[in-house]
Amino acid sequence: EPEVTQTPSHQVTQMGQEVILRCVPISNHLYFYWYRQILGQKVEFLVSFYNNEISEKSEIFDDQFSVERPDGSNFTLKIRSTKLEDSAMYFCASSLAGLAYNEQFFGPGTRLTVL
Amino acid sequence: QQPVQSPQAVILREGEDAVINCSSSKALYSVHWYRQKHGEAPVFLMILLKGGEQKGHEKISASFNEKKQQSSLYLTASQLSYSGTYFCGIPPQGGSEKLVFGKGTKLTVNP
Repeated sequence: EPEVTQTPSHQVTQMGQEVILRCVPISNHLYFYWYRQILGQKVEFLVSFYNNEISEKSEIFDDQFSVERPDGSNFTLKIRSTKLEDSAMYFCASSLAGLAYNEQFFGPGTRLTVL
Repeated sequence: QQPVQSPQAVILREGEDAVINCSSSKALYSVHWYRQKHGEAPVFLMILLKGGEQKGHEKISASFNEKKQQSSLYLTASQLSYSGTYFCGIPPQGGSEKLVFGKGTKLTVNP
């Protein structure tokens, strides 16, 4: 069964460093998302991406964050200058079509630890 | 905008039933239900749409009350594998491509 994959599974970085989290969505899916989950808390939306551009973003997704689909398969989240509060599990998700009638498939997540 | 889930936690014995509720202060366009086991990604369970359409697992049932702006997830004859945290997610407006999740309901099923 096709699945969303994410790398790395765990990333440790120093405050102020840049990180890139990578995702390979399910191949025929058209909508891509990033969510984050601080330990023990709810899942929070960061950004949605369709047709090579951001369709929606949350207040969390400020200028330090960017997303890219550099080729036909990868979808990346970049954090330019990490802060301690960026420590969280980051989930990538993809959907065949819009949320109106389609589920999102989540990847296994990347645990980001900022020291 | 965040949906409110209740109860926050529930403990069952295998075979017992549970109901998890998700309510919104604003109009609901659809409700998406996910289950997350500890240390794992959320797994899709069900979508409920205005007009009564549903899409999801055969063994799980749910309701969507547009008037009350509420959805309920019914877990019957619970199994150990049902343990996890259940989240409901709602698009904040029609046509939105984001889900706003509730804080979750932690379900523990004991033998």
